[in-house]
Amino acid sequence: QVQLVESGGGVVQPGKSLRLSCEASGFTFSTYPMHWVRQAPSKGLEWVAVTSYGGTYKQHADSVKGRFTISRDRSRNTLYLQMNSLRVEDTAVYYCARQTKAFDIWGQGTMVTVSS
Amino acid sequence: DIQMTQSPSSLSASVGDRVTITCQASHDISNYLNWYQQKPGKAPKLLISDASNLETGVPSRFSGSGSGTDFAFTISSLQPEDVATYYCQHYDNLPYTFGQGTKLQIK
Repeated sequence: QVQLVESGGGVVQPGKSLRLSCEASGFTFSTYPMHWVRQAPSKGLEWVAVTSYGGTYKQHADSVKGRFTISRDRSRNTLYLQMNSLRVEDTAVYYCARQTKAFDIWGQGTMVTVSS
Repeated sequence: DIQMTQSPSSLSASVGDRVTITCQASHDISNYLNWYQQKPGKAPKLLISDASNLETGVPSRFSGSGSGTDFAFTISSLQPEDVATYYCQHYDNLPYTFGQGTKLQIK
């Protein structure tokens, strides 16, 4: 079936790096724009980044610009989020999502905790 | 950036009640507005796209309306399984911002 499965979350110290992965299955991954959305504990949803279906266009939220990088690997049907210089305020559940008009398919989320 | 102002932030209603949540955009977004439902510990689920287009499999008691800057999301007869937080989101241009959410509970 159509699904997205995130991995790579964990506990990391401030200033360190982490790479999240989102493996897609059940659909043609290379034909959809893909996004990362995060949700801090007991907070709302925050859009983080997008990559076009071909991977050539990317945009990041101002809150992560210069620190996070979205990418995708067509051969592995996988979306990535490279997170550098992590801050305490980056603590959140990170979701990947497929875009049609809306975000119609979401992963289950992976928790990132930034703490000393 | 376009700001999305959602209200109320929380709502308590009885089973069978009609419930309405509003969402206001800071700029005209035509009908580029989605509604999501999020239950505790779960990923958001798309309910409505293009302001009023009900996704396949979503119960018909859910509906959306509006265009431009003012939008509404309605549950015509609240059911116990509708307890969740609801979010609006625009997709007119990046960043695709979300409203702050409405937590819906049963009285």
